[in-house]
Amino acid sequence: AQSVTQPDIHITVSEGASLELRCNYSYGATPYLFWYVQSPGQGLQLLLKYFSGDTLVQGIKGFEAEFKRSQSSFNLRKPSVHWSDAAEYFCAVGPMEYGNKLVFGAGTILRVKS
Amino acid sequence: DVKVTQSSRYLVKRTGEKVFLECVQDMDHENMFWYRQDPGLGLRLIYFSYDVKMKEKGDIPEGYSVSREKKERFSLILESASTNQTSMYLCASSPAGSGGTDTQYFGPGTRLTVL
Repeated sequence: AQSVTQPDIHITVSEGASLELRCNYSYGATPYLFWYVQSPGQGLQLLLKYFSGDTLVQGIKGFEAEFKRSQSSFNLRKPSVHWSDAAEYFCAVGPMEYGNKLVFGAGTILRVKS
Repeated sequence: DVKVTQSSRYLVKRTGEKVFLECVQDMDHENMFWYRQDPGLGLRLIYFSYDVKMKEKGDIPEGYSVSREKKERFSLILESASTNQTSMYLCASSPAGSGGTDTQYFGPGTRLTVL
């Protein structure tokens, strides 16, 4: 069965520092991969998604992610973190099944210190 | 902009009560989903619907049922609420894309407490 692992429950970075959030997936076929962000008290918002083609994907708010098939990873990066990036981040894999179901990781909570 | 609304942001109910959580989307999406979000567990799919009156069980359907009588509205029902159903409930919708490529759009969530 497909699964998503986000190894880091919490990450703290200083404002202006670079960020990398890890995501590993288990899926038998070519995955469709997503990163969502949830700000406090809000629903989830899509940051970026990968289906095919260029393995480096650009998203909103200055985020990017790189798909590495050999490592079954889809890590999220940002070169310079802003205090407003403090939120919970979810990686998800979308199997090619009827109904567009997603499987989510457990999430990584990002704290930004000034 | 796609808008997904949920009837309540916060809800407090007593054990044994019947609870209805309502979700409405305004983008004519075919697919709608109910998730449960718990710390350290991420989002887990309860039920989803790919058309009016159609539903499929997700990963944790026990203790829940759903109703979709109109395309824009998807209801989650707790027949007899229990304390272990205290959680954040998120609704989402997506168009009927090919092979799961379409973005799911989420509502703000309902935080349900069962006493």
